[in-house]
Parts: sequence; structure tokens; C-alpha cells
Amino acid sequence: EPEVTQTPSHQVTQMGQEVILRCVPISNHLYFYWYRQILGQKVEFLVSFYNNEISEKSEIFDDQFSVERPDGSNFTLKIRSTKLEDSAMYFCASSGGRDLAKNIQYFGAGTRLSVL
Amino acid sequence: KQEVTQIPAALSVPEGENLVLNCSFTDSAIYNLQWFRQDPGKGLTSLLLIQSSQREQTSGRLNASLDKSSGRSTLYIAASQPGDSATYLCAVSDEGRRALTFGSGTRLQVQP
Repeated sequence: EPEVTQTPSHQVTQMGQEVILRCVPISNHLYFYWYRQILGQKVEFLVSFYNNEISEKSEIFDDQFSVERPDGSNFTLKIRSTKLEDSAMYFCASSGGRDLAKNIQYFGAGTRLSVL
Repeated sequence: KQEVTQIPAALSVPEGENLVLNCSFTDSAIYNLQWFRQDPGKGLTSLLLIQSSQREQTSGRLNASLDKSSGRSTLYIAASQPGDSATYLCAVSDEGRRALTFGSGTRLQVQP
């Protein structure tokens, strides 16, 4: 069964450093998303991406964040200057295949980001 | 702003019991509602999606219902098994949007 893959599974970084989280969405999907889950809190929406541009973003997704689809398969989230409060599990998701379940969002296993 | 609430926060049942998890949302103008399962330290697995025009969806031992006007959904699990132990998350997308708003989840433990 097709799945969303995320790398790395765990990223440790120093405060102020830039990090790039990588995702390979399901191949025939058209919509891509990033969510995050701070330990013990709800899953929160960050951004959605369609047709090579941001289609929605939350208040969390400020100028420190950016997304990119550098080629036909990868989807990345960049945090320019990490803060302690960016420590969280980051989930990538995709949806919008050609089948009847096109609205279902499929999630990757996540990247745990630890900012020291 | 959409708010999603799940009750109870935790539930422990003996194997074989039927159980109901509850989800409520404050803004009834939704596009769809999705139920997920999350195992500790893992990603989210989609269980069921209900479009706003639907009343229920079934998959195996799972049945999800939606009462859009009252802002409620339930997830019914029949004949629970220890393998069902996980956190169950409810999430809604508002009309015109695809972003999901999540509840805090119900942590289910099924005892053998």
C-alpha cells in the first residue's frame, strides 16, 4: 500500500540553526500538508500546498517557516532559525488522489525535532 | 474558530466490549470529518472519513456517525480487541478548507 515517508525520523539541532524536514508524499496525490504535535498537545495544522504554491497556512506558519517541492517527489519544510518551542513531532500528509477517497489525508510516521 | 473536543480523554475496557468514542465540534459548517488512530510515538492512521453530506461510514468493526447540525460524531468499535489499544483522534475540515482541526484524542486501552 502506498505510504507517505518522512526523513529523518529524529533530528536534533541547536537553537538558531536551520533545519529541513523531508517528505515523499504518495505519488499520485495533489495536496500536501505539514502538521506538528508538541508533546502532550493536539496535532496542529501548519500549511497546505497545491499546484506549487501555498493554499492555506496557520498563524503558526510565520516567516521562519517555508515549504518547497523541489522536484516531482519531495516536499520539504524548512525552519530558518529554530527556537526551543519548535521542538515537536512534525507530520507530513498528502491527499487528492484520483480514487473515491481523494479527501482522505494520509500521514507519515513523523520527524521528531529536538531543539537544544 | 473551530474547536474540537473528544470525550472521554481515556477509556479502559475488557476485551470483547463494544464501545463508543465521542467527538464534538463548535462550527457545523464542515467539509468532512476524519477519524484517526495514533499508536505511541507513531504517525496517524486514517480509519474513516465522513463527508458533510453523509450520516455514517463503516469499515469492519468500526462505524462512524455524523450529526452535522448538532456538531457531533461518534466512533463505534464492536467487539474490542487488545490490538485496538491506541489513541483515537477526531479531526474536521471546515467548508472551503482542507486544513484539519484536531481534538485531543481518546486514549483507549483494551485489556485481555
